Amino acid sequence: DIVMTQTPLSSPVTLGQPASISCRSSQSLVHSDGNTYLSWLQQRPGQPPRLLIYRISNRFSGVPDRFSGSGAGTDFTLKISRVEAEDVGVYYCMQASQFPLTFGGGTKVEIK
Amino acid sequence: QVQLVQSGAEVKKPGASVKVSCKASGYTFTSYGISWVRQAPGQGLEWMGWINPYNGNTNYVQKFQGRVTMTTDTSTSTAYMELRSLRSDDTAVYYCARSVKAADGWGQGTLVTVSS
Repeated sequence: DIVMTQTPLSSPVTLGQPASISCRSSQSLVHSDGNTYLSWLQQRPGQPPRLLIYRISNRFSGVPDRFSGSGAGTDFTLKISRVEAEDVGVYYCMQASQFPLTFGGGTKVEIK
Repeated sequence: QVQLVQSGAEVKKPGASVKVSCKASGYTFTSYGISWVRQAPGQGLEWMGWINPYNGNTNYVQKFQGRVTMTTDTSTSTAYMELRSLRSDDTAVYYCARSVKAADGWGQGTLVTVSS
């Protein structure tokens, strides 16, 4: 199974400041079709997860452009350019390049 | 728009079974897989498996093999997840998610509590 490792575990951020979350996979996520199926999910308190980014860097419908994803191979990053109060929650990376699908352990974004 | 509506909370005794439903709307049900993901209290997300409603093909995580069965009813666009021989550590919120290489729509979650 592919192990997904996220850092940091927690990220206290000042409103309006940037935040960055790292996700590393134990093996390359490049699929045999040439795509890399790494996505980022946001889970606000008491809510189900919500897709933010798919295939490394593609923002899902309705996701603000302050969210961006980057990376390749085994190293990926989610960036929030200016954190807003509604961004509080836990962020997960997820790989779907290989069964079983696996998630990172989560990064909690909170306001300082 | 894509909607996945799950069945209500359940309380079960150890050793019992639970069957959670997930009714899809807003898209062609047979065109997308359904993943089942669970989240124990205060913990992260755990993928349990996936079913292709088009042909019924499934892929289960090894740890649930023999205890879980995922099915679909294409006539009602509903997916089901049955988990048997429940233990206290199966207490969790269970989610269904529309997924083809990314989970782009989620149900609201079903809390399953296993307690004697």
